[in-house]
Amino acid sequence: DQQVKQNSPSLSVQEGRISILNCDYTNSMFDYFLWYKKYPAEGPTFLISISSIKDKNEDGRFTVFLNKSAKHLSLHIVPSQPGDSAVYFCAASAQGYGQNFVFGPGTRLSVLP
Amino acid sequence: DAGITQSPRYKITETGRQVTLMCHQTWSHSYMFWYRQDLGHGLRLIYYSAAADITDKGEVPDGYVVSRSKTENFPLTLESATRSQTSVYFCASSESPTAGTEAFFGQGTRLTVV
Repeated sequence: DQQVKQNSPSLSVQEGRISILNCDYTNSMFDYFLWYKKYPAEGPTFLISISSIKDKNEDGRFTVFLNKSAKHLSLHIVPSQPGDSAVYFCAASAQGYGQNFVFGPGTRLSVLP
Repeated sequence: DAGITQSPRYKITETGRQVTLMCHQTWSHSYMFWYRQDLGHGLRLIYYSAAADITDKGEVPDGYVVSRSKTENFPLTLESATRSQTSVYFCASSESPTAGTEAFFGQGTRLTVV
C-alpha cells in the first residue's frame, strides 16, 4: 500500500495562473517532506521541503503547505510558467523509520502558454 | 566534476544476462540509494546504504544485488536480468534522510531487457 499518494496523475494550467499539486501520506511518523521536479531524460531535482514543525514554507514562486492533522501537503506555484512543465514528486522521510525517502507516484504538470 | 554520475546512460541486455549499473558521487555523502521509476509507481526504492559496507533492502529488492566497498561508489547488479526489470534506474545520495536533508539524483540509466 502506498504510503505517499499523489492522486492526480496530471494537471494542466494556464501560464500566469496558480498550480496546486497535492500529496497525501498515511504514515504519521513522517516528519520531513520534499518536492522534486523531474524533466524528461533527467534525474529528479530538489525543489522545496518542509519540516513537520512548520505548516508553510515559501521559496520564490513555490510554497508548500502542510496539514498534519489531515496528513496532506500541497505545492503552490504562482505564477505558473511554461518552464514549470514537468513531473512533480512528493517525498517523505522520518527519523527512526528507515533511513530513506518514500516517493509518491508523481503528477505531470503542463503549463499552457 | 562534482556531483553524482551514473553509467551507462542507456543499456540493452538480454534476458538472463548479468548487468551492473554504476553510481559515483563526489560529495562523500554517507547515504546512497537506488530507485527504479516505472509508470504509475513513481520512484520505488530498491536498496540503500547508510555507509560503506552497510546496505539494506528497500521496497523492491528481488533480483538485485548491491555492494558498497567505498563511500563514493554504489553499484547495482542484476544477477539474471528479466523483462520486468526494464525500467529507468536512478541513483541518489544524501547526507542524512533523517536530518532534514535532501537527496541528490543522478541522470538515470534506462535499461531495456529483451
